[in-house]
Amino acid sequence: DSGVTQTPKHLITATGQRVTLRCSPRSGDLSVYWYQQSLDQGLQFLIQYYNGEERAKGNILERFSAQQFPDLHSELNLSSLELGDSALYFCASSVADGRGFHNEQFFGPGTRLTVL
Amino acid sequence: AQRVTQPEKLLSVFKGAPVELKCNYSYSGSPELFWYVQYSRQRLQLLLRHISRESIKGFTADLNKGETSFHLKKPFAQEEDSAMYYCALSGLNSGAGSYQLTFGKGTKLSVIP
Repeated sequence: DSGVTQTPKHLITATGQRVTLRCSPRSGDLSVYWYQQSLDQGLQFLIQYYNGEERAKGNILERFSAQQFPDLHSELNLSSLELGDSALYFCASSVADGRGFHNEQFFGPGTRLTVL
Repeated sequence: AQRVTQPEKLLSVFKGAPVELKCNYSYSGSPELFWYVQYSRQRLQLLLRHISRESIKGFTADLNKGETSFHLKKPFAQEEDSAMYYCALSGLNSGAGSYQLTFGKGTKLSVIP
């Protein structure tokens, strides 16, 4: 599968814990985007990385952080988890960084996080 | 700030009936609008964008700047159209100098056989 991949598919953890979600972009894509989808807030942009560097931030909490590695895969770290962090976390990738124009984003299947 | 509103959480129509999924937006600049679709157990995928003015799977959407709307339409619904539909706006994040997607909360379309 040459599309965007995300691991794990499901994650169940307890409040106060820390988890790491992983995303591998499509081959050739340099940008990675993270989104959070919850029932009440819908799909919200968290953060974007382009070629290893942070490009833009959306509604990302300070307890959350991300990075993009030299092989272009990205990890989203969620710490001090709260019940309200339970959501579906999507990763998307695109060829360019989106400066000056919108480039199509390709989405992964998502990671479902449940905080108990 | 940019905002996308999809007023209907759920829309049920009979097979063969016309479909219209509503989307309204708020954005100070020149918008670029998209419709994304998520079929059951599949990932989110781009359905169409206003700039390409194309029809995909029989769906069309026209950008109405006066009414700030980008409604998705199909003249005759099919069962395989049942899915979650998201309207999205690409707007400039001035701080980052790049364009980002803002999504509506989605409308679940259910086509009744």
